[in-house]
Amino acid sequence: GEDVEQSLFLSVREGDSSVINCTYTDSSSTYLYWYKQEPGAGLQLLTYIFSNMDMKQDQRLTVLLNKKDKHLSLRIADTQTGDSAIYFCAERGTGRRALTFGSGTRLQVQP
Amino acid sequence: GAGVSQSPSNKVTEKGKDVELRCDPISGHTALYWYRQSLGQGLEFLIYFQGNSAPDKSGLPSDRFSAERTGGSVSTLTIQRTQQEDSAVYLCASSRTSGTSGGHGEQFFGPGTRLTVL
Repeated sequence: GEDVEQSLFLSVREGDSSVINCTYTDSSSTYLYWYKQEPGAGLQLLTYIFSNMDMKQDQRLTVLLNKKDKHLSLRIADTQTGDSAIYFCAERGTGRRALTFGSGTRLQVQP
Repeated sequence: GAGVSQSPSNKVTEKGKDVELRCDPISGHTALYWYRQSLGQGLEFLIYFQGNSAPDKSGLPSDRFSAERTGGSVSTLTIQRTQQEDSAVYLCASSRTSGTSGGHGEQFFGPGTRLTVL
């Protein structure tokens, strides 16, 4: 079946850039997503990218997609303490409704 | 309402008891999803509703799990004879469409119900 993998933990200093990586196995993925989960809160969609794109930028967020290697990354520029959260990568394959999620990367931002 | 709501926010039950978890989707959203998040795990898909029908139940882990949706709105996830491995956060999401006919069908998530089975 489909699989999405992420590293578990990333620690950065405030003001630095953060890069969170994700790999997936489903070659039919149409959309790929990044969700943010803060303690006690639901998942919040940060951004998404369509599979025929290789880059998408939205303010401090840059998503890079390497479809050949099935690798997705999320770069957060000028990381702030408020960015501390768990970040989930997810994909949706052709014809599927449900999302397949990775296990999440905990981002810790040190002041 | 403004967002997806779920109740209860926390549920503690004894092994062997039945539980019901409720989800109120965003008004007008036709698609509704249930996911489960176990400790340290990603979200695991359980079931998807389009209107009141469930065309994809492939993620339900056993026949102890069932769900229904009435009036194209509220959904209830029922777990019978709960086991300790059922302990998890159960998340509900809704979207305006299923996203398969164009557009990415953004799923909006509720805050979840934390279920603890003793």
